[in-house]
Amino acid sequence: EVQLLESGGGLIQPGGSLRLSCAASGFTFSSYAMSWVRQAPGKGLEWVSVISGSGSSTFHADSVKGRFTISRDDPKHTLHLQMNSLRAEDTAVYYCAKTRYFSGGSHDVDYWGQGTLVTVSS
Amino acid sequence: EIVLTQSPGTLSLSPGERVTLSCRASQSVTYNCLAWYQQKPGQAPRLLIYDASSRATGIPDRFSGSGSGTDFTLTISRLEPEDFAVYYCQQCGSSPITFGQGTRLEIK
Repeated sequence: EVQLLESGGGLIQPGGSLRLSCAASGFTFSSYAMSWVRQAPGKGLEWVSVISGSGSSTFHADSVKGRFTISRDDPKHTLHLQMNSLRAEDTAVYYCAKTRYFSGGSHDVDYWGQGTLVTVSS
Repeated sequence: EIVLTQSPGTLSLSPGERVTLSCRASQSVTYNCLAWYQQKPGQAPRLLIYDASSRATGIPDRFSGSGSGTDFTLTISRLEPEDFAVYYCQQCGSSPITFGQGTRLEIK
């Protein structure tokens, strides 16, 4: 059974940094690209970042480019999202997701974690 | 980037009814790479349909997807109480991937 468990969310002041983690199990982690998708309170879904199965390619949405970095630790079956220079508009539930299809940054998702809430506020 | 517009925004229906949700893209979706997700309150989204018309693992056959190019639909043949939720389409034909704004299906 595929399981994705996010951690690291919380309340952070504007301009601060936070590192999210996602522990994966139930599939061959290194074989799949992994993605982060966020959802602001009461709003729709917004893709954030994706990393290839090898970790050699990463893609970020324009809204977070230069501030967020996605990475992976395959031996530990863990996905990370380093978030710097956080803004109020980054407030959202952040979902870790396993991709079903991936090509050049384009992808869809077949499994989602339960999400971790990040609140950026003073 | 491709903009996806879902309609209607909200639908009020009764269990047992048939419903069709629409997702229109601002430009043609490469390879008809379009997915549909269902999200219930307080839960993560769940993949229903991929590649426009393929059902994901474990999804009941009352859910079906169709369409190509810029126009896609999700049909639920006979609504069950557990189907009342928000539905999102997502295109994976080009980067960045984008989601529609969602259609809320509520009980009448």
